[in-house]
Amino acid sequence: EPEVTQTPSHQVTQMGQEVILRCVPISNHLYFYWYRQILGQKVEFLVSFYNNEISEKSEIFDDQFSVERPDGSNFTLKIRSTKLEDSAMYFCASTYTGTVQETQYFGPGTRLLVL
Amino acid sequence: GQQVMQIPQYQHVQEGEDFTTYCNSSTTLSNIQWYKQRPGGHPVFLIQLVKSGEVKKQKRLTFQFGEAKKNSSLHITATQTTDVGTYFCASLMNYGGSQGNLIFGKGTKLSVKP
Repeated sequence: EPEVTQTPSHQVTQMGQEVILRCVPISNHLYFYWYRQILGQKVEFLVSFYNNEISEKSEIFDDQFSVERPDGSNFTLKIRSTKLEDSAMYFCASTYTGTVQETQYFGPGTRLLVL
Repeated sequence: GQQVMQIPQYQHVQEGEDFTTYCNSSTTLSNIQWYKQRPGGHPVFLIQLVKSGEVKKQKRLTFQFGEAKKNSSLHITATQTTDVGTYFCASLMNYGGSQGNLIFGKGTKLSVKP
């Protein structure tokens, strides 16, 4: 069964450094999402992406965040100057049509730790 | 903004006992999805409910969507140790367009004592 993959599985960085989290969505999917989950808390929506542009973003997704689809397979989340509070699990998800009726498939996540 | 409230936050049961988690919203939901997240894992889609009053079953799991589409429940009959994890409800938020971004409840963490 096709699945969403994410790399790296774990990332440790110093505060102020830039990190890039990578995702490979399911190959025929067109809508891509990033969510984050701070340890012990609920999953929170960050951003959705379609047709090479951001469709929606939450208030969490401020100017330090950016997303990109650099090629036909990867979908990346860049955090420009990491803060301690960015430590979380980051999940990528994808869907084919992006409609309200459709399941979102989640990747295994990248655990980011900012020191 | 739209919120989904979920209770209880934690539930400890003896193996074989039943378990129920509830989701509520102050606004009408377009649909409700349920996810299970094992410790250290990622959310895995369980089911989606769309219609008012809908009930769906998956083996020992029963999912309900309220008549007013403002609440939902997940009931597990005769829990097993493999049921351990956090169960999240989630609803799709959209701004009038077709695309939905998930809003998650805080989850109910289920532990099962053998």
